[in-house]
Amino acid sequence: EDQVTQSPEALRLQEGESSSLNCSYTVSGLRGLFWYRQDPGKGPEFLFTLYSAGEEKEKERLKATLTKKESFLHITAPKPEDSATYLCAVQAGYDYKLSFGAGTTVTVRA
Amino acid sequence: NAGVMQNPRHLVRRRGQEARLRCSPMKGHSHVYWYRQLPEEGLKFMVYLQKENIIDESGMPKERFSAEFPKEGPSILRIQQVVRGDSAAYFCASSPSDRGYEQFFGPGTRLTVL
Repeated sequence: EDQVTQSPEALRLQEGESSSLNCSYTVSGLRGLFWYRQDPGKGPEFLFTLYSAGEEKEKERLKATLTKKESFLHITAPKPEDSATYLCAVQAGYDYKLSFGAGTTVTVRA
Repeated sequence: NAGVMQNPRHLVRRRGQEARLRCSPMKGHSHVYWYRQLPEEGLKFMVYLQKENIIDESGMPKERFSAEFPKEGPSILRIQQVVRGDSAAYFCASSPSDRGYEQFFGPGTRLTVL
């Protein structure tokens, strides 16, 4: 069974204080690793898809990277509006379903 | 360019009643997925449908739960004889017909069972 573990569970940052979130995974035949952002009371918002080790993608202050065992989401100089829960998910084998981690809740203080 | 639409956004049912949750995928998307987020738990896959077909229902509880995606109209997730443990946020996602990878989520339906 696919396993996705995110760490830390919660992260409190000062505005401008860069940090990284970790997503480690155990799957058979990774098709894609996905990052989503979820605000309270809302649905997950798609951020990135990574398909192979070594791949990197960027969007504003966010940068996602992928190795054979884990992915990192780097937040550079965060702002309060970056406060959210960040979810990692994998798609493996012939399945289309996403297997999600529990998420990392990021709080950025001004 | 409307995203995935779900209704109702909030639904309150008493134990034993039926709950019907609706999902309209993004324009041009013919693949629909349902996920459930229980309080203090992560998102869990329930079912994957294409028009008039259930492709994967491996995450659906064996009893009381059913899903459909008819040729016309929204996808429906039906929960019969609801129990308190069914209280959760139910999210629908859709993906384009020619790429099964990125899934775009709706705002969810929050079901409360009294």
